[in-house]
Amino acid sequence: DGGITQSPKYLFRKEGQNVTLSCEQNLNHDAMYWYRQDPGQGLRLIYYSQIVNDFQKGDIAEGYSVSREKKESFPLTVTSAQKNPTAFYLCASSSSGSPHNEQFFGPGTRLTVL
Amino acid sequence: AQKITQTQPGMFVQEKEAVTLDCTYDTSDQSYGLFWYKQPSSGEMIFLIYQGSYDEQNATEGRYSLNFQKARKSANLVISASQLGDSAMYFCAMREDYMDSNYQLIWGAGTKLIIKP
Repeated sequence: DGGITQSPKYLFRKEGQNVTLSCEQNLNHDAMYWYRQDPGQGLRLIYYSQIVNDFQKGDIAEGYSVSREKKESFPLTVTSAQKNPTAFYLCASSSSGSPHNEQFFGPGTRLTVL
Repeated sequence: AQKITQTQPGMFVQEKEAVTLDCTYDTSDQSYGLFWYKQPSSGEMIFLIYQGSYDEQNATEGRYSLNFQKARKSANLVISASQLGDSAMYFCAMREDYMDSNYQLIWGAGTKLIIKP
């Protein structure tokens, strides 16, 4: 089955620690995205990548870092510089070959800072 | 300025009734796309329906249809014959198709829909 997997589903972090959220897709999509969602709000774009070894900052990139060494993988690191990292994180991918270039999403990772 | 506005934070609808979820947007581009996604309590975002700015007919996908009024800049989602499983958050999003933004979506704040049995 093609899809997007994110791990872990729940993540707890102590203040001052870096954590890495995993995102893997087997849809052969070129573009991948990371979003942050806070309670009762819409999605905000953190980073996106259109091709391997290239990525761009979104609206709220401060305190986050990414890499795109493989087409299938787009891990997100939440650094200690992110002041309020507790949120729900969603990874997505898309392909210009899809009818509407719509984004497909993973199940999300809920990060809580203790 | 808000580019996507969803004015209904929450809605209660009786099962089997039709429901309309509002979405207005703001863009100066001629070419853009509008999307609706459903987010159940599990958290995953599920793509429902798409409307392109140049599409002459309203989009339909099963029980979902999009009431697209370009002059009013509105793209309301209509769910016919609502079911208990339709209870979820619904998000409207827009993609402006100028070169650098071809991959980015702008999201509304969402509407929480609860279907009553």
